[in-house]
Amino acid sequence: QSVLTQPPSVSGAPGQKVTVSCTGTRSNIGAGSDVHWYQQLPGRAPKLLIYGDHNRPSGVPDRFSGSKSGTSASLAISGLQAEDEAVYYCQSYDNSLSVSLFGGGTKLTVL
Amino acid sequence: EVQLVQSGAEVKKPGQSLKISCKGFGSRFTGYWISWVRQMPGKGLEWMGIISPDFSDTKYSPSFQDRVTISADMSINTAYLHWSSLRASDTAIYFCARHESPFLAGDLWGQGTLVTVSS
Repeated sequence: QSVLTQPPSVSGAPGQKVTVSCTGTRSNIGAGSDVHWYQQLPGRAPKLLIYGDHNRPSGVPDRFSGSKSGTSASLAISGLQAEDEAVYYCQSYDNSLSVSLFGGGTKLTVL
Repeated sequence: EVQLVQSGAEVKKPGQSLKISCKGFGSRFTGYWISWVRQMPGKGLEWMGIISPDFSDTKYSPSFQDRVTISADMSINTAYLHWSSLRASDTAIYFCARHESPFLAGDLWGQGTLVTVSS
């Protein structure tokens, strides 16, 4: 079981908005460690989607947004498209363990 | 185009050693940390460890501390992940990624190397 907890799956219809949560502890997200989000399409390497809690790398559509509060972070995807169907992972550094951690991943299904 | 290119798929037997590589093209590794991430079949991402730009510092996840060695040769822009004795449970895809610091995101990833360990 991952220290960063994500729901195993979320789903939404095209055009809708979905949110993926990432719950940590006081030694990682709650300690102020940056949260990053990655998208992994089937058979592909992960791709950086959000860095530093809410920043988008160049080329990532503004349909993707990130936020953080307390010991949790969230990834929101608005205007769902079929191409968004993928697994999404959060990542944050844990000060107690002195390691970087990934959440267990959330599979997004576009209905 | 800036990219990280990893070495090809490997098939090994339990007990054998293996070193896989991650080479930077279009940009130097200088100033960047390189991490390694494991993805077992059908499973999620697991952070294994990271090496500093000058090789003076290598951090490992406790889960991998005694199983692998991370090294690099910046003269050829290449990082390595090494096993001295493979197990069947090491079967997985291994990704490398580039970071400006251990706390920051991996902004560039390799394509992954499939390692299969089977007798």
